[in-house]
Amino acid sequence: SYELTQPPSVSVSPGQTARITCSGDALPKEYAYWYQQKPGQAPVLVIYKDSQRPSGIPERFSGSSSGTTVTLTISGVQAEDEAAYYCQSADSSGTYVFGTGTKVTVL
Amino acid sequence: EVQLVESGGGLVQPGGSLRLSCAASGFTFSSYWVHWVRQAPGKGLVWVSRINSDGSSTSYADSVKGRFTISRDNAKNTLYLQMNSLRAEDTAVYYCAREPAPLCSSATCYYSYYMDVWGKGTTVTVSS
Repeated sequence: SYELTQPPSVSVSPGQTARITCSGDALPKEYAYWYQQKPGQAPVLVIYKDSQRPSGIPERFSGSSSGTTVTLTISGVQAEDEAAYYCQSADSSGTYVFGTGTKVTVL
Repeated sequence: EVQLVESGGGLVQPGGSLRLSCAASGFTFSSYWVHWVRQAPGKGLVWVSRINSDGSSTSYADSVKGRFTISRDNAKNTLYLQMNSLRAEDTAVYYCAREPAPLCSSATCYYSYYMDVWGKGTTVTVSS
């Protein structure tokens, strides 16, 4: 199996841009997905296939990929975006892996 | 409304067994792959297991292989996780989540690999 590494925390002021990175050796070959999890709640998918946004997810959430790193960007951060964010990927062998998680704090 | 509802969690002694269930509603359950994902207290998400649409293919994380068994009953719209030889480190909230089934042509299949709907979870505590 492989690992996905995220920074433990990111702090951002309201209205600013938060960028959360996720690094892994398999990411040049495999898509990444992003989930938001607020305390006491189940995760919610916010980005799939590196940069696609599910219906109902605000446009301020976007994703990008470059080499072994994928990035979730939250533009114009709002207080309600304070949450933990997890990247996730999978390979053709049927193994799925989540990143270590990043806690986003809105100052 | 699309919904997944887990049940069956509780307190169990080390070495014991427990069976979790996940009831699906609001969508065609048999058209989706389904997963179990767990989260230990204060920790991150960890993938546990996955089963394909008709139950013919399963995969497991190394940490549970040989101890946990995933299964499904499409007639009952229900996913299961049989957990045996439980350890303290299995203590967690267990979520079920669905994955859109792959789209296949004659030449290849396009897999989703993501989980678009999650249940609220059920808590498993392994302790003496």
